[in-house]
Amino acid sequence: EVQLVESGGGLVQPGGSLRLSCAASGFTFSSYWMNWVRQAPGKGLEWVANIKQDGNEKYYVDSVKGRFTISRDNAKNSLYLQMNSLRAEDTAVYYCVRDRGYCSGGSCYSVHFDYWGQGTLVTVSS
Amino acid sequence: DIQMTQSPSSLSASIGDRVTITCQASQDINNYLNWYQRKPGKAPKLLIYDASNLETGVPSRFSGGGSGTDFTFTIISLQPEDIATYYCQHYLNLPITFGQGTRLEIK
Repeated sequence: EVQLVESGGGLVQPGGSLRLSCAASGFTFSSYWMNWVRQAPGKGLEWVANIKQDGNEKYYVDSVKGRFTISRDNAKNSLYLQMNSLRAEDTAVYYCVRDRGYCSGGSCYSVHFDYWGQGTLVTVSS
Repeated sequence: DIQMTQSPSSLSASIGDRVTITCQASQDINNYLNWYQRKPGKAPKLLIYDASNLETGVPSRFSGGGSGTDFTFTIISLQPEDIATYYCQHYLNLPITFGQGTRLEIK
């Protein structure tokens, strides 16, 4: 059974940092692109970042570029999101998401988010 | 960025009703369009991929259609367990974006 379990969320002050983790199991983690998707309170879903199987390609939504870093450790079946310079507008539930497809050079192919974790809440507030 | 516009934003229907949600892309996205269901307190679930393909294990009362800029999502006969918020999502290019969601309620 595919499982994605996020951790690391919490309350942080504006300008602070937080590192989210996602533990994957039940599938060959190293074979899939992975993503972070977030949902702010009362808002819709927003794609945040994705990463290639080997970690050598990474893409971000403009609002987090230069502040967030996505990474993975295939030996540990884990996905990470390092979040720096956090802002109030980053407050959201963050989901770890498996992707059946891939993106390259800005174009994407068969990007179907087929498994999602339960999410971890990040609250940025003083 | 490609904007995805869903309508309606909320919908009230009776059990057994046929329900249709539309999603319009701000530019041609071919059939690079997925639909997700999100129930309160649960993670989103993929229902339809590539505009019209039913994900494995999803009941056949759900269906999708369209291509280019205009897409539809239909529940043929609404069931109580279908109460949720539904989102469309394109993946033609980055950034991947979602519609704002359609909240479906029972009348």
